[in-house]
Amino acid sequence: EAQVTQNPRYLITVTGKKLTVTCSQNMNHEYMSWYRQDPGLGLRQIYYSMNVEVTDKGDVPEGYKVSRKEKRNFPLILESPSPNQTSLYFCASSSQGLLTDTQYFGPGTRLTVL
Amino acid sequence: DAKTTQPNSMESNEEEPVHLPCNHSTISGTDYIHWYRQLPSQGPEYVIHGLTSNVNNRMASLAIAEDRKSSTLILHRATLRDAAVYYCILRDRGGANSKLTFGKGITLSVRP
Repeated sequence: EAQVTQNPRYLITVTGKKLTVTCSQNMNHEYMSWYRQDPGLGLRQIYYSMNVEVTDKGDVPEGYKVSRKEKRNFPLILESPSPNQTSLYFCASSSQGLLTDTQYFGPGTRLTVL
Repeated sequence: DAKTTQPNSMESNEEEPVHLPCNHSTISGTDYIHWYRQLPSQGPEYVIHGLTSNVNNRMASLAIAEDRKSSTLILHRATLRDAAVYYCILRDRGGANSKLTFGKGITLSVRP
């Protein structure tokens, strides 16, 4: 089954404790992306990757890092999480990042930073 | 990205058709119209997209006005599972980053 998986699905942590949210897709997609969803603000893009070793900032990259060492994986790293990063995070992938491509989203990771 | 305007919410009865409107008066000639939906506690899900002509797929139909300043997502027979937030999104041909710019969407409620 074609899918995007994220782990963990739920995470409660404390300020400053480094964490990684993993994202993996089994569709051999070149393009992957991270969004965060906050009430009243909708979904906003954090980082994206056009292919292996190619990443770039989205609209709200501050406080986040990403890497793309393998085509299927695109982890989101919070080196020193803060309470304002409490949010619902979604990973997405698509075939080539083209305008007509369908983007497939993961199930989401709900992060709480205390 | 050009802006879209959608009503905040709509209600429908089960097994009846639903027409979800979207206004995009500043759409450019290269903007594609995409619809995604987000079921409760899930990630967004692609529904349909089009450029100028009306489009049909197994999930829905997309009717695009002749001047392209508005469009309508049509669910032919709403089911309880169709209760979700529906997002109308414009994607510009320019730029390599095919991010989706989500607005607030329409919250669709389906009555049994």
